[in-house]
Amino acid sequence: EVQLVESGGGLVQPGGSLRLSCAASGFTFSSYSMNWVRQAPGKGLEWVSYISSSSSTIYYADSVKGRFTISRDNAKNSLYLQMNSLRDEDTAVYYCAREWGETSFDYWGQGTLVTVSS
Amino acid sequence: EIVLTQSPATLSLSPGERATLSCRASQSVSSYLAWYQQKPGQAPRLLIYDASNRATGIPARFSGSGSGTDFTLTISSLEPEDFAVYYCQQRSNWPQFTFGPGTKVDIK
Repeated sequence: EVQLVESGGGLVQPGGSLRLSCAASGFTFSSYSMNWVRQAPGKGLEWVSYISSSSSTIYYADSVKGRFTISRDNAKNSLYLQMNSLRDEDTAVYYCAREWGETSFDYWGQGTLVTVSS
Repeated sequence: EIVLTQSPATLSLSPGERATLSCRASQSVSSYLAWYQQKPGQAPRLLIYDASNRATGIPARFSGSGSGTDFTLTISSLEPEDFAVYYCQQRSNWPQFTFGPGTKVDIK
């Protein structure tokens, strides 16, 4: 069974940093591209970042470019999101999601809540 | 940037009725359009990929159609568990993805 389990969320002050993790199991993690998608409270879904299976290709949404860094450790079946210079508008549930065929996301974690507030 | 518009914002229907949800793209996305279902407190679930292909384990009452700029998700006969928010998503400029604002299907 495919499982994605996020962790690392919490309350942080504006300007602060946080590192999210996503532990994958039930599939060959190193064969799949992975993404982070977020959802602000009561709002829709926003794609945040993409990383290819070998980490050779990385993309970010304009809203987080220069502040967030995506990475992965295939030996540990883990995906990460380092978030720096956090802003109020970064408050959201952050999901890790497995990419399916370069078109969609077929498995999602349960999400981890990040709250940026003073 | 390709913008996705979904209509209606809310659809009020009764169990057993047919639901028709629309997603329109600001420019052609070919067939690179997916649909997701999200219930309160849960992660989204992939329903349809590449405009018309059902994801693994998705019931046959869910179907997708369209290409280019106009797409439709149809639920042939609503079950109680189908009342949720539905999002469309495109990847025409992969790997940068965008989602529509969602359509809420609620019980009439």
